[in-house]
Amino acid sequence: DAGVTQSPTHLIKTRGQQVTLRCSPKSGHDTVSWYQQALGQGPQFIFQYYEEEERQRGNFPDRFSGHQFPNYSSELNVNALLLGDSALYLCASSFQGMDNSQPQHFGDGTRLSIL
Amino acid sequence: GENVEQHPSTLSVQEGDSAVIKCTYSDSASNYFPWYKQELGKRPQLIIDIRSNVGEKKDQRIAVTLNKTAKHFSLHITETQPEDSAVYFCAGWGSNYKLTFGKGTLLTVNP
Repeated sequence: DAGVTQSPTHLIKTRGQQVTLRCSPKSGHDTVSWYQQALGQGPQFIFQYYEEEERQRGNFPDRFSGHQFPNYSSELNVNALLLGDSALYLCASSFQGMDNSQPQHFGDGTRLSIL
Repeated sequence: GENVEQHPSTLSVQEGDSAVIKCTYSDSASNYFPWYKQELGKRPQLIIDIRSNVGEKKDQRIAVTLNKTAKHFSLHITETQPEDSAVYFCAGWGSNYKLTFGKGTLLTVNP
């Protein structure tokens, strides 16, 4: 039973560029949440996708956008990258995450470095 | 929105001792509180969780207690082992349908 998988593992970009990160949820899960984790901090909620729609959003600018596909996989897009966007980006999946507080399982994350 | 405070930020114990990490939350409507363990360079791993209709939950050496009146919950690890060394995060699921994390506790278990 595959867990949550994310790609790529590491990514290096320069300021102003755009990046796309990918996530495949754990088998049986239909909800995907994205988090940003800066060094030494707890994960910060970016947004959550359920039924191919953004259901909740944290305090992140519109440069952060996402998508969920019919197979429940998801993408996180960040435009106009800033140095401060350097972080570990974590994807977590759960079952029916919007109306029910279900356990979230994390992937290994994508380490994004902005030069 | 929900605000989760966690302390201590660092905790050092001797192998075999107990460790306790405490968190407080602000949203009285919060109903789900998971705890995650994150080893260096690895994913946060769910180790135990508790819902607001339960006061205590135990899984082998790990237990979590919840006091809804005081709005705080705690993680208890007994008979600590070196492999328990990691960063532990508490989190709360609030009425805004988001999972809010604490800042983490670095637990070091000394052999």
